[in-house]
Amino acid sequence: DGGITQSPKYLFRKEGQNVTLSCEQNLNHDAMYWYRQDPGQGLRLIYYSQIVNDFQKGDIAEGYSVSREKKESFPLTVTSAQKNPTAFYLCASSSMGQGRQPQHFGDGTRLSIL
Amino acid sequence: AQSVSQHNHHVILSEAASLELGCNYSYGGTVNLFWYVQYPGQHLQLLLKYFSGDPLVKGIKGFEAEFIKSKFSFNLRKPSVQWSDTAEYFCAVNAYSGAGSYQLTFGKGTKLSVIP
Repeated sequence: DGGITQSPKYLFRKEGQNVTLSCEQNLNHDAMYWYRQDPGQGLRLIYYSQIVNDFQKGDIAEGYSVSREKKESFPLTVTSAQKNPTAFYLCASSSMGQGRQPQHFGDGTRLSIL
Repeated sequence: AQSVSQHNHHVILSEAASLELGCNYSYGGTVNLFWYVQYPGQHLQLLLKYFSGDPLVKGIKGFEAEFIKSKFSFNLRKPSVQWSDTAEYFCAVNAYSGAGSYQLTFGKGTKLSVIP
């Protein structure tokens, strides 16, 4: 079955440490997205990429970095500059189509600080 | 910047009650509208979508939503809820953000608890 795979499901980070969250899709979608979900805050866009080797900052990009070297993969690095990284992180993808294509979501990674 | 408002943070209903969840957005141009649902322990799933045409759209599991352009609203409805509808519901608006790209903005979500 096609879908989005996020790993790991749970991740713990020590203070001052960078961690990378994995996101892989086999839906042949061009666009990929990273969101952060906090209780009562909904989903907020961190970064998105519409094509390989290109990505744009979302609303809350500070303290995060991404890469898009392959169409299937869009890893997110939470750097030590992100002062409040504890959250649920969701990866999504969509095909292009003038904003009409719904996004498909992975199961998420829950990041906690030790 | 566009924004999406969901009026209720938590709604509690008994089974068979009718449901209406409010969603308003602020964007003056053409929008594409979505409702997503997140069941406990599961990933976000698309419930229904509106692009153009009939403003009353039907989705999965008996849900429907009505787009009222003059009110900038896209409220979600279901005539009779079931315990299995317990979930968090997110309204989302996709609007043109320039340079050929669209940005999807989510509301903060409404938790629905259905009591058997």
